Amino acid sequence: QKEVEQNSGPLSVPEGAIASLNCTYSDRGSQSFFWYRQYSGKSPELIMSIYSNGDKEDGRFTAQLNKASQYVSLLIRDSQPSDSATYLCAVNNNFNKFYFGSGTKLNVKP
Amino acid sequence: DVKVTQSSRYLVKRTGEKVFLECVQDMDHENMFWYRQDPGLGLRLIYFSYDVKMKEKGDIPEGYSVSREKKERFSLILESASTNQTSMYLCASSLGLAGVVYEQFFGPGTRLTVL
Repeated sequence: QKEVEQNSGPLSVPEGAIASLNCTYSDRGSQSFFWYRQYSGKSPELIMSIYSNGDKEDGRFTAQLNKASQYVSLLIRDSQPSDSATYLCAVNNNFNKFYFGSGTKLNVKP
Repeated sequence: DVKVTQSSRYLVKRTGEKVFLECVQDMDHENMFWYRQDPGLGLRLIYFSYDVKMKEKGDIPEGYSVSREKKERFSLILESASTNQTSMYLCASSLGLAGVVYEQFFGPGTRLTVL
């Protein structure tokens, strides 16, 4: 079983819609959760971090964490073609080791 | 802004060669990491370092070694390159205060091809 699982996609949404990206993790002791965006041929860049149960909003992005169910999600409101990228979920167990999912590819169609 | 730089964007080497990949960060981060990224496998941790001259194995250290002589610089060494080490190599750094987990910042990556 992988530490972090994501649906590889592609997830296709029309411009202006809400994109919902999901991630599950196996280590119940995980404490810190991150979403990265990676454009093709580029390195990952941090979008959001979340540490406690509930929602965290930053502009068009909302991260949701449910530790009891061991999932974390990312919502992108008013999706734009420039949001088309692969989104990586990363989980940390407080020992400086991060586990990354293999990513979900998002396509936002104009 | 945090800046993480890597010595090469593209590198082509031959089987059996010794390969050095260098990473430099300018934000005085304690932690530095080396990953490789392959399609369908995601990012996999090779080694990380939480202080000068300190290192710990990640999930796939076989065939690799690292060196951290200065805080800002973390080198990945392929002792004898093999074709299965063809990959994208990503360096990252983060703050490392005890008990707190900080996000990682990535360099631009080095795409290594071993022929």
